[in-house]
Amino acid sequence: GAVVSQHPSWVICKSGTSVKIECRSLDFQATTMFWYRQFPKQSLMLMATSNEGSKATYEQGVEKDKFLINHASLTLSTLTVTSAHPEDSSFYICSAPRTSGTEQYFGPGTRLTVT
Amino acid sequence: AQTVTQSQPEMSVQEAETVTLSCTYDTSESDYYLFWYKQPPSRQMILVIRQEAYKQQNATENRFSVNFQKAAKSFSLKISDSQLGDAAMYFCAHVSNFGNEKLTFGTGTRLTIIP
Repeated sequence: GAVVSQHPSWVICKSGTSVKIECRSLDFQATTMFWYRQFPKQSLMLMATSNEGSKATYEQGVEKDKFLINHASLTLSTLTVTSAHPEDSSFYICSAPRTSGTEQYFGPGTRLTVT
Repeated sequence: AQTVTQSQPEMSVQEAETVTLSCTYDTSESDYYLFWYKQPPSRQMILVIRQEAYKQQNATENRFSVNFQKAAKSFSLKISDSQLGDAAMYFCAHVSNFGNEKLTFGTGTRLTIIP
């Protein structure tokens, strides 16, 4: 099946610094990727839609200047958490549909801890 | 806007028995897809089963089957012959067949398998 990778799987950073998370589709091209945030024992909350060749579309309430998304190629999307604070600590997951209207393939997630 | 409701935060079942997880959804569209995803302790999202709204026949995948009631907007998951490896969070999800392919997730049901 289709594979989506994320890097890093776990990152610890100090408050005020920025951290970049990569999401790659390994065996298919993805013009669209999605970024989610998941708090412990909760569901996935969609943060934004990453669009190759154009600006990301952010969900209501998500700060676009804080969570920078760049869809650099048909296989890579990055999420940069800028000026991170402890409240940004969470589990971040990306996903991509291989073809329109089908299931999405999820990355393994990135655990971010801000100290 | 679509909404997905899972009314059972937790369920448990004896190993080898059958369990049904409930899901209801709300949408104004006639063409869409429904999914059940499993999230084990590793937190990797895994597709369990998929249903296309225009198909009346209920989807099945080995021990997993759904009861899709389109008029009632209900989409329950039945797990037969439960195994220890089935222990996980289960999320019901909806996606429109038109537009931006954003998944809408339910709040999840934590399934415990009793040996």
